[in-house]
Amino acid sequence: QLQLRESGPRLVRPSETLSLTCTVSGGSTNRDNYYWDWIRQPPGKGLEWIGNVHSSGDTYYTPSFRGRVTMSLDTSKNQFSLQLMSMTAADTAVYYCARHPAADNWFHPWGQGTLVTVSS
Amino acid sequence: DIQMTQSPSSLSASVGDRVTITCRASESITNSLNWYQHKPGEAPKLLIWAAFNLQSGVPSRFSGSGSGTDFTLTIRSLKPEDLATYYCQQSFRTPFTFGQGTKLQIK
Repeated sequence: QLQLRESGPRLVRPSETLSLTCTVSGGSTNRDNYYWDWIRQPPGKGLEWIGNVHSSGDTYYTPSFRGRVTMSLDTSKNQFSLQLMSMTAADTAVYYCARHPAADNWFHPWGQGTLVTVSS
Repeated sequence: DIQMTQSPSSLSASVGDRVTITCRASESITNSLNWYQHKPGEAPKLLIWAAFNLQSGVPSRFSGSGSGTDFTLTIRSLKPEDLATYYCQQSFRTPFTFGQGTKLQIK
């Protein structure tokens, strides 16, 4: 069965760039009928969709993140990644990766998430 | 953006109870509404897609209904393992948005 796992730093300094990787096992990222997504949840708050990347390289970024987010896909490693620039305390959150079918827009499955804290 | 509002934000119920969680969209989203269960320390899990379709492997005590702006997640005969936070998500238009969550506690 498909499994996703996030990896990356737990602590990021203000103004720095966050880099997270999602490793996919039990399936291939090189399929054109899926998108690969990033979603986050700040402490005590709800879920916030950041955007996604397709196997074609196409990306969609939620407007509130445009200009400081980059997503990419490495099908040779079966991984996709998130880079978020100019981190502030407001970016402290649990970051999740997930997959969604190209023809439908629900997220399944998800990774367990990784807590990223922004602090000096 | 389409705003999603869930109610209640938390609720406490007993094993065997019937539980209902509602989700309202700020505009019509037809049946483009999905429900997730999130247990502490675990990955969020898709329960219901497109308003009423039960995801494979999800117990049949979970059901979804609604269309347009108003939707409902029902848990028939609550079990202790249903302790979780439940989220709705609209998939009608980007950016996809979630409700703020309903925390379900077991009495």
